[in-house]
Amino acid sequence: GESVGLHLPTLSVQEGDNSIINCAYSNSASDYFIWYKQESGKGPQFIIDIRSNMDKRQGQRVTVLLNKTVKHLSLQIAATQPGDSAVYFCAEKQTGGFKTIFGAGTRLFVKA
Amino acid sequence: GAGVSQSPRYKVAKRGQDVALRCDPISGHVSLFWYQQALGQGPEFLTYFQNEAQLDKSGLPSDRFFAERPEGSVSTLKIQRTQQEDSAVYLCASSRARDQPQHFGDGTRLSIL
Repeated sequence: GESVGLHLPTLSVQEGDNSIINCAYSNSASDYFIWYKQESGKGPQFIIDIRSNMDKRQGQRVTVLLNKTVKHLSLQIAATQPGDSAVYFCAEKQTGGFKTIFGAGTRLFVKA
Repeated sequence: GAGVSQSPRYKVAKRGQDVALRCDPISGHVSLFWYQQALGQGPEFLTYFQNEAQLDKSGLPSDRFFAERPEGSVSTLKIQRTQQEDSAVYLCASSRARDQPQHFGDGTRLSIL
């Protein structure tokens, strides 16, 4: 069935280093992809999104890369800070559809 | 401005009781989503509203789950005859349109004893 998965369940990085969180998706009909950050006891917080007509999009300290050929999505966080410690979810959606499918999440630990 | 507000933040109920969870979306947001999040998992889609119309309820686990948004703003998720497997965090999200970024509330943590 449709699924969005992550390669690594946990990622530990040193403060100041760059982080890369990866995600694979299986539904080739998906054309809208979103990254969310979720801190303990909070709801998911939108980070950045990308549509299938793009392969790269940059925000503040974050970059999302989309490779449609291999159905792969990644989130790059530059100069990772302790405040970046959280669980990160990728999500996929079909434009015009109603359902957003979330992956299982990657927990990011930032060591000071 | 104010974000998405959910109440109560925590709800404990005995098996068999009915519960009602409330969501106040961001003012003016047309789209409203409900999700269920089990511990250590990503959110799972339950249902979608566009204004007051429930356009997709394919994710509701059973007919014990019912959602409404009668005036196109506040929404309520009701669970009848609760069971232990209903224990989860229930998240509400709203957006300007269905293909725009969703803004989430902090959820209601439901525990069924």
